Amino acid sequence: NAGVTQTPKFRILKIGQSMTLQCTQDMNHNYMYWYRQDPGMGLKLIYYSVGAGITDKGEVPNGYNVSRSTTEDFPLRLELAAPSQTSVYFCASNPYPRVGGQPQHFGDGTRLSIL
Amino acid sequence: QKEVEQNSGPLSVPEGAIASLNCTYSDRGSQSFFWYRQYSGKSPELIMSIYSNGDKEDGRFTAQLNKASQYVSLLIRDSQPSDSATYLCAGDAADKLIFGTGTRLQVFP
Repeated sequence: NAGVTQTPKFRILKIGQSMTLQCTQDMNHNYMYWYRQDPGMGLKLIYYSVGAGITDKGEVPNGYNVSRSTTEDFPLRLELAAPSQTSVYFCASNPYPRVGGQPQHFGDGTRLSIL
Repeated sequence: QKEVEQNSGPLSVPEGAIASLNCTYSDRGSQSFFWYRQYSGKSPELIMSIYSNGDKEDGRFTAQLNKASQYVSLLIRDSQPSDSATYLCAGDAADKLIFGTGTRLQVFP
């Protein structure tokens, strides 16, 4: 069982380039999330989705875009990469946050450097 | 703004001691709370969840919840050097989790 899969694991971008971070889950979870984690810091929510076709902004959405066309996939797009977006990006999913208190399952992360 | 607060540490304890990690939250509507462990360079992994007031034990780990005081804690008994990591506390807020900034635990031999 793969769980939450993120690709790529590492990437170096030049300022102004764009890229898409991929996230796929095979657990049929409705809820999916993108976080960024700067060195020595906690997780900051970028965007989240409560189901296919529905997305919402988190705490730090500027500079990012998302889409959710299927239950399985939740890609995160950086349009004009800036050095401030150098971070580790985690994707997570869960079936439902409150009923039964389902925890979030995390992918292994994508380490992104903008130079 | 809904917040979860933790002491960043580091919390240093000797091997075999009890490590006590604390967390407070601001959203009285939160119902579920989670403790995640994160090793350096790795993703967070769930170690405990708690939904009701009181204690919940799982092996060497005990989570405690006090909703009246809006306080969650994690006790690690017989701490081992392999427990050295950052521990993230999280509480639910509608459709998402609010994470604290984490407490770094160091267990020395």
